[in-house]
Amino acid sequence: KQEVTQIPAALSVPEGENLVLNCSFTDSAIYNLQWFRQDPGKGLTSLLLIQSSQREQTSGRLNASLDKSSGRSTLYIAASQPGDSATYLCAVLNDYKLSFGAGTTVTVRA
Amino acid sequence: EADIYQTPRYLVIGTGKKITLECSQTMGHDKMYWYQQDPGMELHLIHYSYGVNSTEKGDLSSESTVSRIRTEHFPLTLESARPSHTSQYLCASSWDNYGYTFGSGTRLTVV
Repeated sequence: KQEVTQIPAALSVPEGENLVLNCSFTDSAIYNLQWFRQDPGKGLTSLLLIQSSQREQTSGRLNASLDKSSGRSTLYIAASQPGDSATYLCAVLNDYKLSFGAGTTVTVRA
Repeated sequence: EADIYQTPRYLVIGTGKKITLECSQTMGHDKMYWYQQDPGMELHLIHYSYGVNSTEKGDLSSESTVSRIRTEHFPLTLESARPSHTSQYLCASSWDNYGYTFGSGTRLTVV
């Protein structure tokens, strides 16, 4: 059974600082890895999708890397802003089913 | 932009009532999923479908049932709601092994 772990569970930084969120998974036979953002009481917004054959994906201030062999992914958010405050979820796809980590709750202080 | 729609957004209902949570997608995705998420907790898969007339139970046991009569529609039904069913229910869809798209969720409160 796939297990996904996200560290740290919570993070508080001053505005402008870079964020580093970590994700690890136990079964490396994944099809892809997806990073989501969730605001309180809301649904999930997809941020980045990395296929198993890829090493990284970038979108604006966001960059995600994937090391499938070691079962790790890292999400970098450059020059954080208060609007980046949310919970960030890592999810890996095996056999069409997505397994989620518990998330990292980020607070960016103005 | 194609989307996935969930209704209602919020629902407060009495114990013993039958409810149906609606989920529809306009992207022609063959696979659809229901996840349950308690406040501050992880998402857990409760039902999934790989196509019309195909439904399976997920990793987390649930008293709810689902149906998939049309590709775009994947409703979830609780025959007799209980306070223990209070949670957020998130619907998602995907095509093959590409990324998932989630709806905005239904926040259910059973009193």
